[in-house]
Amino acid sequence: AQKITQTQPGMFVQEKEAVTLDCTYDTSDQSYGLFWYKQPSSGEMIFLIYQGSYDEQNATEGRYSLNFQKARKSANLVISASQLGDSAMYFCAMRRYNTDKLIFGTGTRLQVFP
Amino acid sequence: GAGVSQSPSNKVTEKGKDVELRCDPISGHTALYWYRQSLGQGLEFLIYFQGNSAPDKSGLPSDRFSAERTGGSVSTLTIQRTQQEDSAVYLCASSIKAGVIYNEQFFGPGTRLTVL
Repeated sequence: AQKITQTQPGMFVQEKEAVTLDCTYDTSDQSYGLFWYKQPSSGEMIFLIYQGSYDEQNATEGRYSLNFQKARKSANLVISASQLGDSAMYFCAMRRYNTDKLIFGTGTRLQVFP
Repeated sequence: GAGVSQSPSNKVTEKGKDVELRCDPISGHTALYWYRQSLGQGLEFLIYFQGNSAPDKSGLPSDRFSAERTGGSVSTLTIQRTQQEDSAVYLCASSIKAGVIYNEQFFGPGTRLTVL
């Protein structure tokens, strides 16, 4: 069965610092996609970044980058230069190549302090 | 353009009543998904629709749950004889097309269902 594990229920980071949110996954598939979503207190899920299992380079989107280590089955999210508005829940998710459903981890609550 | 919209934003019902939750996907998106977010179970997939294909209902927790999508656009999730464990936030998402692994899913604001 596919599974996503986020071991950090909560993280604190000071404004302007970088922070890494951990995500490991379990799958026997060769082809899959990994996603990170942000969920602010308003509740809406906001897509941040995507990494395909065959992508050779780590994905980057502005201040977000994904540290993809395929052999270790990890897809950690790195947020650089944290901002107060980054305070939210962050979810890692996986999608198998032959299905459209997303499998989510339990999330990490990030709090950015001044 | 407009994002995914859901109604109502909040729904309080009594145990045993039926409820209908509505989702309006982004215009032009052919794939539509329902997820449930609850404290005990986290984020769970319920069902998805792609065009005129048969929906993938593999995540529906019981036969009290059903969903339909009319005209390839608006979708309604129906929960019959609601139970307290159905209390959760129901999230709808849409994407341009299913079957493309890198297509992101755009989520609506959710409907918070409380069953008393």
